[in-house]
Amino acid sequence: SQTIHQWPATLVQPVGSPLSLECTVEGTSNPNLYWYRQAAGRGLQLLFYSVGIGQISSEVPQNLSASRPQDRQFILSSKKLLLSDSGFYLCAWSVQAGVADTQYFGPGTRLTVL
Amino acid sequence: AQSVAQPEDQVNVAEGNPLTVKCTYSVSGNPYLFWYVQYPNRGLQFLLKYITGDNLVKGSYGFEAEFNKSQTSFHLKKPSALVSDSALYFCVFSPLAGAGSYQLTFGKGTKLSVIP
Repeated sequence: SQTIHQWPATLVQPVGSPLSLECTVEGTSNPNLYWYRQAAGRGLQLLFYSVGIGQISSEVPQNLSASRPQDRQFILSSKKLLLSDSGFYLCAWSVQAGVADTQYFGPGTRLTVL
Repeated sequence: AQSVAQPEDQVNVAEGNPLTVKCTYSVSGNPYLFWYVQYPNRGLQFLLKYITGDNLVKGSYGFEAEFNKSQTSFHLKKPSALVSDSALYFCVFSPLAGAGSYQLTFGKGTKLSVIP
């Protein structure tokens, strides 16, 4: 069966520090991968998605970036964190069926920027 | 703009009573609709989805949802609520195939509290 991992689970970082969040998927090949941010425990905002190694699409311009160095690894990064980057970050994967693909979410990373 | 709306921020129901979490959509053409649940400080879990066919969709944990095209609704239901059903519920839609077909659009969420 497929599983998705995210780490760290929680992170407290000062403003201006760098960020690296990691997501890995097991039990599937060539998945679509996604990064979302959830603010204040409510709606999710899609940040990035990837359909293959090195292929990243950004949905929202901001000081975050994403990379996919391996088929089942997705990394969210920032060179300098802002207070507004605080939130709950969720990684998700789906098979590449192309239509109404169900996305499966990881456990999330709670980021607090002070 | 295409969207889904969850008109209730919070729903309270007594344990053992039927529950309904409402969702309406504003989508051109035939929508693909999902329900996800999020327990406190956890990731989202997929409950069910509607693509085409039978308007009544059955999902995980005894939940079901009815697609109603005339009312543009996709309400989530369960015949008998459990305290463990207390969580945040999201109605989600996916556009038709093509560019952005894998981009999900989330409703704001409805917090369900089941009272013992």
